[in-house]
Amino acid sequence: DAKTTQPNSMESNEEEPVHLPCNHSTISGTDYIHWYRQLPSQGPEYVIHGLTSNVNNRMASLAIAEDRKSSTLILHRATLRDAAVYYCILRSPSGTYKYIFGTGTRLKVLA
Amino acid sequence: SAVISQKPSRDICQRGTSLTIQCQVDSQVTMMFWYRQQPGQSLTLIATANQGSEATYESGFVIDKFPISRPNLTFSTLTVSNMSPEDSSIYLCSVGGTGMNTEAFFGQGTRLTVV
Repeated sequence: DAKTTQPNSMESNEEEPVHLPCNHSTISGTDYIHWYRQLPSQGPEYVIHGLTSNVNNRMASLAIAEDRKSSTLILHRATLRDAAVYYCILRSPSGTYKYIFGTGTRLKVLA
Repeated sequence: SAVISQKPSRDICQRGTSLTIQCQVDSQVTMMFWYRQQPGQSLTLIATANQGSEATYESGFVIDKFPISRPNLTFSTLTVSNMSPEDSSIYLCSVGGTGMNTEAFFGQGTRLTVV
């Protein structure tokens, strides 16, 4: 599975937008980009995923670069509850079903 | 969606003993996955458990240390055998996400401390 690179940590003020970057320069044309987050003392939970086009759901937006070598998870208005570790994961249809978790980005939200 | 229940939620165990962790899902699933999360680290896949067959272990994990059972389509157990302090971790069960357009669901985890 292709590798992803994320900053170790980021900070944001409450109610401000947050842009969490992910680099995946070795992504293949069929790899899906998935985002999960892990709140304190909980298992990871699904946030969003996409292939080529930008995606929106009730939790977040996913902006995918035109060359697909990077993507950005956007939280439109951070709340204290969004403090978590955010994982960017590539899923390959030619690979396995496994989720290979990288180090993730620890997001701290300041009140 | 899937709701996963793990038991116990936490335990403190003596070195040399074994602990069995249970994972119950509210729907039938083909594959169940077991992960380990060491303190301050990311998740690492231990093994994949299919009903009716032996579990498939990832590199660095062996059946003698982490035996897994999968008696039916809604239940699995992971045993951590002959524990040492290095086994102190959070162990998580997961289902789903086997398709590119599907999401995975994770249990709350079992926090194990070995003393």
